[in-house]
Amino acid sequence: DTAVSQTPKYLVTQMGNDKSIKCEQNLGHDTMYWYKQDSKKFLKIMFSYNNKELIINETVPNRFSPKSPDKAHLNLHINSLELGDSAVYFCASSQFRGAGDTEAFFGQGTRLTVV
Amino acid sequence: AQTVTQSQPEMSVQEAETVTLSCTYDTSENNYYLFWYKQPPSRQMILVIRQEAYKQQNATENRFSVNFQKAAKSFSLKISDSQLGDTAMYFCAFMKHVNTDKLIFGTGTRLQVFP
Repeated sequence: DTAVSQTPKYLVTQMGNDKSIKCEQNLGHDTMYWYKQDSKKFLKIMFSYNNKELIINETVPNRFSPKSPDKAHLNLHINSLELGDSAVYFCASSQFRGAGDTEAFFGQGTRLTVV
Repeated sequence: AQTVTQSQPEMSVQEAETVTLSCTYDTSENNYYLFWYKQPPSRQMILVIRQEAYKQQNATENRFSVNFQKAAKSFSLKISDSQLGDTAMYFCAFMKHVNTDKLIFGTGTRLQVFP
């Protein structure tokens, strides 16, 4: 009954390769996100989608392309991987409830290592 | 633009004692949410506590409480009766009170609870 699940948990790949990370949420939320956590543990938003529509794109290189086939899924495809892409990538989802109960639920993260 | 500052990179506390983690933020918004997330070595991001800016009463969740000072833009986390399982990175985060908005994180405080 995992709320936000992302696969794979670990990904080791060579420079120049193309890879994808998948994310699914079963919470019925409308909004999904990708965050990147760098080697110093700093977390920063990359993208957000609301009902399959791209809402936020935070100056991420266009080698990163999110895709949302439906509101329960948000995948991240990365082309031509570079050493600097090594990080932990978190998927999250949220549902804005106005005067109550908003929070973001996170997946367990994908540790991407580019060698 | 909103910013979140955590000025304590590392803190340590003895088991059963109380510790306070600091967080300040900057925003021109009047209504927003503030959060504390915990990230243990397992990497999972876990919501600890949430505060809505329009609520004057400080949020409390069991051993965790906040001191929210809206005018000072301060949002500290107090952990009472610290337990070994509280050892983790703690992130303060801000979110505007609008649908689809993103979390803006501080740089984190690494808390070590020792026996």
